[in-house]
Amino acid sequence: QVQLVESGGGVVQPGKSLRLSCAASGFTFTNHPMHWVRQAPGKGLEWVAVISLDEKNKFYSDSVKGRFTISRDNSKKTLFLQMSSLRAEDTAVYYCAKDYSVSWYGGVDEWGQGTLVTVSS
Amino acid sequence: QSVLTQPPSASGPPGQRLTISCSGSNSNIGSNTVNWYQQLPGTAPKTLIYRNNQRPSGVPDRFSGSKSASSASLAISGLQSDDEADYYCASWDDSLNGWVFGGGTKLTVL
Repeated sequence: QVQLVESGGGVVQPGKSLRLSCAASGFTFTNHPMHWVRQAPGKGLEWVAVISLDEKNKFYSDSVKGRFTISRDNSKKTLFLQMSSLRAEDTAVYYCAKDYSVSWYGGVDEWGQGTLVTVSS
Repeated sequence: QSVLTQPPSASGPPGQRLTISCSGSNSNIGSNTVNWYQQLPGTAPKTLIYRNNQRPSGVPDRFSGSKSASSASLAISGLQSDDEADYYCASWDDSLNGWVFGGGTKLTVL
């Protein structure tokens, strides 16, 4: 079965950086775009970024554009999110998610359990 | 303020049929497919519906999705107490070049 296991979350000071990882298994990683979606405490879901199969196309929400970078290592079946210039409003549970299609506008069909990022001094 | 508009709450007694709406625009729902997600308290989201009306394996046929123009709906028939959760719609937005979610609907089974 599909497994998406996030890691790398924790407490970080405002302005600092953090890198999240997501180890994928149970499906052909190279056949699917991958997403990051976050959820601030007590709030709704917010899409963060998506990356295409071959890393050539990447899209970001306006709230993280220029500060976050999504990437993937297809040989290691791993998705990453490099977060820099972190702000208090970036505090959230970050979910790694698989797209069901081969394009980035299909949508998520599988979710990880999430990793909590807390930005606080 | 979410790009996709959902009612913040919905409720109904066990056994009832209930519908949750999701309103968008030509640049998102009007041009692209819609997905629906269920989030039980304290857990990760789960995909209920993809491509407007398709159910992943394991999702009961009590859940169904539909789309018309720039709006979509999630219908839940035979409401059960286990259905108490937050429900979110989502679609790609051609103008924003990104995914947009609804604000979520909290379902209470009375």
